[in-house]
Amino acid sequence: QKEVEQDPGPLSVPEGAIVSLNCTYSNSAFQYFMWYRQYSRKGPELLMYTYSSGNKEDGRFTAQVDKSSKYISLFIRDSQPSDSATYLCAIIMGVQGAQKLVFGQGTRLTINP
Amino acid sequence: DAGVTQSPTHLIKTRGQHVTLRCSPISGHKSVSWYQQVLGQGPQFIFQYYEKEERGRGNFPDRFSARQFPNYSSELNVNALLLGDSALYLCASTRAQASGPYNEQFFGPGTRLTVL
Repeated sequence: QKEVEQDPGPLSVPEGAIVSLNCTYSNSAFQYFMWYRQYSRKGPELLMYTYSSGNKEDGRFTAQVDKSSKYISLFIRDSQPSDSATYLCAIIMGVQGAQKLVFGQGTRLTINP
Repeated sequence: DAGVTQSPTHLIKTRGQHVTLRCSPISGHKSVSWYQQVLGQGPQFIFQYYEKEERGRGNFPDRFSARQFPNYSSELNVNALLLGDSALYLCASTRAQASGPYNEQFFGPGTRLTVL
């Protein structure tokens, strides 16, 4: 079983829609949950991360972790064409000084004007 | 401040050849990690180096090797290239000594390798 699994999409929605992106993870010991955004021909950039369970909000973006079901979500409100990108969920494995990111497959999102 | 830089941007090689990819971390960052991203997949961890020492290795064959130099830049080497090595190779740098248990990894734009 993979450490992180993500709905691959692709996902296409109209501008202004609420977008929900989802991942599941395998190990209840994971504590940090990340969302990266990757534009075409660019490296991933960190959008936001959450520690343990609960919600974290940053502008139009909300990250949610449900540790009981090992489910992580990213919600985008009032989606914009500039949000069109591939979104990657990830968990951190290892200790400080020797950490690695384990990514999901990525969901390709298109926001249509 | 300049971000993580990688060279070259694109590379075309044939099967059996060798390739060297280069990465310069953000100034002040002492740790570099390498990831392979095959088209349509998420990045997969290859190596991490900190203070010129290997701190982690992913599930990749011995054809893959890396090193870190005294200025903290890094090289990824791949020998005996296979068609399946075609991918975007990403380098990420981190301070590795930041306060708190999590150290953000900052990614470069990647080197796109095509093996024919």
